[in-house]
Amino acid sequence: KAGVTQTPRYLIKTRGQQVTLSCSPISGHRSVSWYQQTPGQGLQFLFEYFSETQRNKGNFPGRFSGRQFSNSRSEMNVSTLELGDSALYLCASSFGLAGGPDTQYFGPGTRLTVL
Amino acid sequence: AQTVTQSQPEMSVQEAETVTLSCTYDTSESNYYLFWYKQPPSRQMILVIRQEAYKQQNATENRFSVNFQKAAKSFSLKISDSQLGDTAMYFCAFMAGGGADGLTFGKGTHLIIQP
Repeated sequence: KAGVTQTPRYLIKTRGQQVTLSCSPISGHRSVSWYQQTPGQGLQFLFEYFSETQRNKGNFPGRFSGRQFSNSRSEMNVSTLELGDSALYLCASSFGLAGGPDTQYFGPGTRLTVL
Repeated sequence: AQTVTQSQPEMSVQEAETVTLSCTYDTSESNYYLFWYKQPPSRQMILVIRQEAYKQQNATENRFSVNFQKAAKSFSLKISDSQLGDTAMYFCAFMAGGGADGLTFGKGTHLIIQP
């Protein structure tokens, strides 16, 4: 079974631009979660999508948004990029079991650099 | 909100030795799950082991085992017969039963296996 895939793997943008990252989950998984990893803040939860709806959200500004399609693929968008948005963005997929041991499996990440 | 603390930023052991990574957490949740993830230099986050809080038996996966002390809120990872390929960042992570805040990660322990 294919794992979680993320595109692109690397991205360079300038301040003020916007960016869209894509994530394709493991087949059969309906939940996609996004995380930001930086040296200073570590790994932080951005949001989770399940059945095309945002189900959970972390503590990030509204510049960070996402969506999920009917095939469970998800996109994350960051508008008005800031230098501090430079990070590794990780996507994780799971079955989305509510209340159960919903193990998340991660993609290889997208490295975003903001100049 | 929950917190996860990994008190060992870096550890180094010789190949074939046994090593234990520490993790403590704080939560008011009664239903939760604990995970250890490994992130090698490739940055791909890989699930090592999972523990359901309601299970008293410690989880084991081949050379990897945990010591789960629920009352002490401690969740350590033991790696037996360490191998060079075990060199990586290891993250302890917490998820509440409902998954509302996604995975909460510790800051990580950089484990180096010396030949």
